[in-house]
Order: sequence, then C-alpha cells, then structure tokens
Amino acid sequence: DTGVSQDPRHKITKRGQNVTFRCDPISEHNRLYWYRQTLGQGPEFLTYFQNEAQLEKSRLLSDRFSAERPKGSFSTLEIQRTEQGDSAMYLCASSPRLGGIDTQYFGPGTRLTVL
Amino acid sequence: AQKITQTQPGMFVQEKEAVTLDCTYDTSDPSYGLFWYKQPSSGEMIFLIYQGSYDQQNATEGRYSLNFQKARKSANLVISASQLGDSAMYFCAMRDQMNSGNTPLVFGKGTRLSVIA
Repeated sequence: DTGVSQDPRHKITKRGQNVTFRCDPISEHNRLYWYRQTLGQGPEFLTYFQNEAQLEKSRLLSDRFSAERPKGSFSTLEIQRTEQGDSAMYLCASSPRLGGIDTQYFGPGTRLTVL
Repeated sequence: AQKITQTQPGMFVQEKEAVTLDCTYDTSDPSYGLFWYKQPSSGEMIFLIYQGSYDQQNATEGRYSLNFQKARKSANLVISASQLGDSAMYFCAMRDQMNSGNTPLVFGKGTRLSVIA
C-alpha cells in the first residue's frame, strides 16, 4: 500500500504564471484534502473532496485557485496568475470512507516559490 | 470556532529522556478528535496518535502517549525515551463534528523539538 504522492515536489515560477499540482491519494480513500502551509505556521485547510464532489472550500481559496478530482481518484490544484504571497508548501491528504476516526494521511507536499 | 494553541515554539531534550509537548484547544462541539503529527525537515506530515473526546483512557502508541485533560482542554503529547530521529516539528490538530465525518483539521503553529545526544 503506497502512501499519498504529490507531484512536483518543488516548483519555481514567475509571478503571473499558472501552476498545477497533482495529488494521488492512498487507493480506496474516498476523501481528499488540500492544505497550505506557510513558513512558521501549521497547515491551513483549502478544500476537500468526497469522491469527485468538492464539498467545502475555505475562504483562503481565492478565485485564482481551482481544484478538481474528476474521477474520484487523483486531484489537481491549479493556481492562476500566481502572486508572491502564494509561495508556500501545498499539502494533500487522504482519508478512508466514513466510519472511524477519519485519520488524514499526508503526502510529501509541493513547495511553491513565486519569484 | 475551533482553535489550537501550542505555546512552545521550541523544545530541547536529552537523548533517552522523556519530553512533553503542550497543546490546548477550544471548541464548543462535544464530539471532537485530537491528533498529533510529526513533520521532519523533509516536509511530510506523519500521523502519530489520536484521542477522541469520549475516550475514557489516554491514547498510547509505542513511545507516544497523549495526556488528555478534558476539563482543562489540553492534549499534551508525551514522548518517552527520546531518540535523535525524533527531532522535528510537532503539530497538534483537532477536528470537531466527529459524527459528521466531514470536517477538516485545524492545526496549531507547532513546536520544534530538538533531541541532543
């Protein structure tokens, strides 16, 4: 059983460019979460999916951010017109179906640097 | 609103000694869960231990135990017999509305633990 994987691990981009990150959850986990972590802070929730449905979005998720999980498996997070304030670690987590404590298992993250 | 407070930005502990990392929380929901994660320099968040609000006993997982004091709203992590590999950031997190199963985690700011040989 492989863990949550994220690609790329690092991304450097220029302000104004679009970037897309991918997350592959643990197989058969039907819930998938995106978090953002800035330096010196804990992760902050962005959005989450149950299967292919996006059920909740944080107010941190501006109109420039969009997330998809088209077939209920992998997910993508796109940031359009990146700004320097978008520089952060973007973490993906997955958890199994409802029932139990819903422990979230995290991937290694994608570190974004916007120049 | 949910809130997690970790008041220790950094902690030092001698190898083989025990260390306690503090966490206090705030929620109005009677059904909640408390989680501790470890984040090494590589960046991945590693799940360590869980405590449910209705659990009668403190959670234990190997060298990790959770000192849960519900009246004080505290959920301190105790690491026994510290090892050099324990050096990392440690985050306390909470999820309320456990019955619905659909709420995200709220994290504290973390505590950086350094284990000294």
